[in-house]
Amino acid sequence: NAGVTQTPKFRILKIGQSMTLQCTQDMNHNYMYWYRQDPGMGLKLIYYSVGAGITDKGEVPNGYNVSRSTTEDFPLRLELAAPSQTSVYFCASTGYSNQPQHFGDGTRLSIL
Amino acid sequence: AQTVTQSQPEMSVQEAETVTLSCTYDTSESDYYLFWYKQPPSRQMILVIRQEAYKQQNATENRFSVNFQKAAKSFSLKISDSQLGDAAMYFCAYRSTNYGGSQGNLIFGKGTKLSVKP
Repeated sequence: NAGVTQTPKFRILKIGQSMTLQCTQDMNHNYMYWYRQDPGMGLKLIYYSVGAGITDKGEVPNGYNVSRSTTEDFPLRLELAAPSQTSVYFCASTGYSNQPQHFGDGTRLSIL
Repeated sequence: AQTVTQSQPEMSVQEAETVTLSCTYDTSESDYYLFWYKQPPSRQMILVIRQEAYKQQNATENRFSVNFQKAAKSFSLKISDSQLGDAAMYFCAYRSTNYGGSQGNLIFGKGTKLSVKP
């Protein structure tokens, strides 16, 4: 049981480039989340999804887009990368909103 | 909006001793969940313990226990018999049971870095 899998684990981007952070889970969870963790801070919610085809913004959505075409996958898209998006990104999922979230191992993204 | 505050950026404990990490939160809701997550240098987010606000009994998981004071909006984590492997960042997190808005997302404090001295 792989749980939540994020790829890549580490990436360096140039300013203005675009990329997609991949997240997939094999637990048939309805709820999925993207967080970012800046140095010395806790995690902040970027986007979330309550099921295939349904997504919504979290606290810090600017500069990002998401899609949820299947229950398993919840990719996060960065358009026109900016230095302020340098962070560690976590994907998480849960079967029900009252259950603990399962986290992926994170993606460390640096934008130079 | 709910907020979570961890007032101790860093803590240190001697191996085999006990340490308590503090967390306070602000909410107008009566029912919610509280969590402690551990983040070692590998950066994994590991659930340590959870507490349902409607339960008066404090949660325990082996060497980890909480002191949940609902009226004071306080949720501290006690680690007994500290081990070198307990060294990590510890995050306190809140989750609403309200199905409106961000459903089931976690609101995190800034974390407390715990060092364990041999």
